[in-house]
Amino acid sequence: EAAVTQSPRSKVAVTGGKVTLSCHQTNNHDYMYWYRQDTGHGLRLIHYSYVADSTEKGDIPDGYKASRPSQENFSLILELASLSQTAVYFCASSDREVFFGKGTRLTVV
Amino acid sequence: QQQVRQSSQSLTVWEGETAILNCSYENSAFDYFPWYQQFPGEGPALLIAIRSVSDKKEDGRFTIFFNKREKNLSLHIKDSQPGDSATYFCAATFYNQGKLIFGQGTKLSIKP
Repeated sequence: EAAVTQSPRSKVAVTGGKVTLSCHQTNNHDYMYWYRQDTGHGLRLIHYSYVADSTEKGDIPDGYKASRPSQENFSLILELASLSQTAVYFCASSDREVFFGKGTRLTVV
Repeated sequence: QQQVRQSSQSLTVWEGETAILNCSYENSAFDYFPWYQQFPGEGPALLIAIRSVSDKKEDGRFTIFFNKREKNLSLHIKDSQPGDSATYFCAATFYNQGKLIFGQGTKLSIKP
């Protein structure tokens, strides 16, 4: 079965600090995505990537950077974490079907 | 502007009834509409999907009815079970592209 693994599963970060969320897939998929989930808003696309060493902006990229060093790994980076970035973050990979990881709950205090 | 909209934030039905979850979308160019099921603490998982060339897709107890002219669709869950209690997301995109646009979700509760 397709597997997308996120780490950490939860994190508390300090306002203004740097946060890195990691994602690893064993699906051999070219496409990977980072989504953010907030109550009442569904999931919104932050960044995505079609190939290693290349990333694209999604619908809400402000305040986030992404890195795709290999086909298997895709990171989301918050250089200066803010309170408004408290949310659950999901990584996903896809061929035709999109497979999601279990999510990372980020709390910025 | 909400490109994909689900009409109810929450829905409660009795066990054995048919649950109907409604969704509408703005962009008439979207041609692929998956529904995702999410349990607490888990990521969304694909439940069933339909392409815009079809008006109905059935998979066991789950059926999507699609109206391209009205730009809306609905998910019918027949013979609802307590294990169906979850949040359901309607999404839209272009076929073979994973950039999903999600609705805000409907939390479905099944009363035994």
